[in-house]
Amino acid sequence: ETGVTQSPTHLIKTRGQQVTLRCSSQSGHNTVSWYQQALGQGPQFIFQYYREEENGRGNFPPRFSGLQFPNYSSELNVNALELDDSALYLCASSLEGGSGKNIQYFGAGTRLSVL
Amino acid sequence: AQKITQTQPGMFVQEKEAVTLDCTYDTSDPSYGLFWYKQPSSGEMIFLIYQGSYDQQNATEGRYSLNFQKARKSANLVISASQLGDSAMYFCAMRERNAGNMLTFGGGTRLMVKP
Repeated sequence: ETGVTQSPTHLIKTRGQQVTLRCSSQSGHNTVSWYQQALGQGPQFIFQYYREEENGRGNFPPRFSGLQFPNYSSELNVNALELDDSALYLCASSLEGGSGKNIQYFGAGTRLSVL
Repeated sequence: AQKITQTQPGMFVQEKEAVTLDCTYDTSDPSYGLFWYKQPSSGEMIFLIYQGSYDQQNATEGRYSLNFQKARKSANLVISASQLGDSAMYFCAMRERNAGNMLTFGGGTRLMVKP
């Protein structure tokens, strides 16, 4: 158990709708990263939040947005859902700013299906 | 060019034997970290082992060891004494200092342990 929890575990939406995914980070961690994992592929980095600010973004359009709260939990919002957004969405927490390895610890993910 | 390449889509290993999962990487950043994660069918990415680009010795964590050959840009994962519970997807990932905390993943290798 990593202590990173994501909700919901599964979600079904229709094209054009909006969705919010949630992540609670591991105790003591200050950074949350979000990844999209399409079926049969490795995860792709969406963005990262550090101290409530976006701190890096992958090749994803602006309809993917996020928030980080003072308790370091985070949300991923996706607007105008497309069929290709169907994937497993993984959240990872880490402790940044130290001299350590900055290991990212992942939750079990939210599986989103867009119909 | 692919930053992380895993050339083995699937592998079989007999229980109690050792297995090597291949990973090659491509970067011009002198400072980087290499990670291996295990993903069971439940979806959670489980951190296994880390190797820093400046580490002089190969990393080891229990039954996991990393065969780091810097000049060849390879970071192969060795699992000793395979167990049935080792059956899962395995992903190699890299973080480059100049790319912040973003992890870049390979396409993964599915390992199947035979009894």
